[in-house]
Amino acid sequence: GAVVSQHPSRVICKSGTSVKIECRSLDFQATTMFWYRQFPKKSLMLMATSNEGSKATYEQGVEKDKFLINHASLTLSTLTVTSAHPEDSSFYICSAGLAGGIFYEQYFGPGTRLTVT
Amino acid sequence: AQSVTQPDIHITVSEGASLELRCNYSYGATPYLFWYVQSPGQGLQLLLKYFSGDTLVQGIKGFEAEFKRSQSSFNLRKPSVHWSDAAEYFCAVGGSNNDMRFGAGTRLTVKP
Repeated sequence: GAVVSQHPSRVICKSGTSVKIECRSLDFQATTMFWYRQFPKKSLMLMATSNEGSKATYEQGVEKDKFLINHASLTLSTLTVTSAHPEDSSFYICSAGLAGGIFYEQYFGPGTRLTVT
Repeated sequence: AQSVTQPDIHITVSEGASLELRCNYSYGATPYLFWYVQSPGQGLQLLLKYFSGDTLVQGIKGFEAEFKRSQSSFNLRKPSVHWSDAAEYFCAVGGSNNDMRFGAGTRLTVKP
């Protein structure tokens, strides 16, 4: 149980275009989803926290107009990288929080490799 | 806000040898602590977690970790490393907002 999928797994886009990444919790409802960015050989950096039906909370330094997050349902959150540039190339990982305990256990998706040319 | 330090960027051990990966955290309240493993190009797999109770936590793949509040540490151990254990290991600490902060990671290389 507690499986999270991401789509696409890899995407290559041209500079200036927008890319949408989907994160789905397949067998549970996730009130909260998290988006992370990972640079090569680096750790995960939390970009934003999204709660179903409300606006995402962005970490300091993350441009909310560039990284649009929508959490329209309890099983789906999307991250749209708008007007992508080569510096946006990265590995994006989402996680879904499973409520019910003393801490949201986060289950991670397999990641999406974005390359902007 | 919580933070995590993994002092070792890269560790090399021989197959069959024991392993200890270090993790130190900073958090004012009771921490929720995690160890994850990541293979190249893949997502994160949870190895084990500590929320409360017994400070020695058993995880998957033969890993264990010990929470030591006095040292603010949560080191990961394995008595005998297998070649398939070569990967990147991340320690993470959870905070009151249900957010997590990750350490920089330790890359494990296993020599035959």
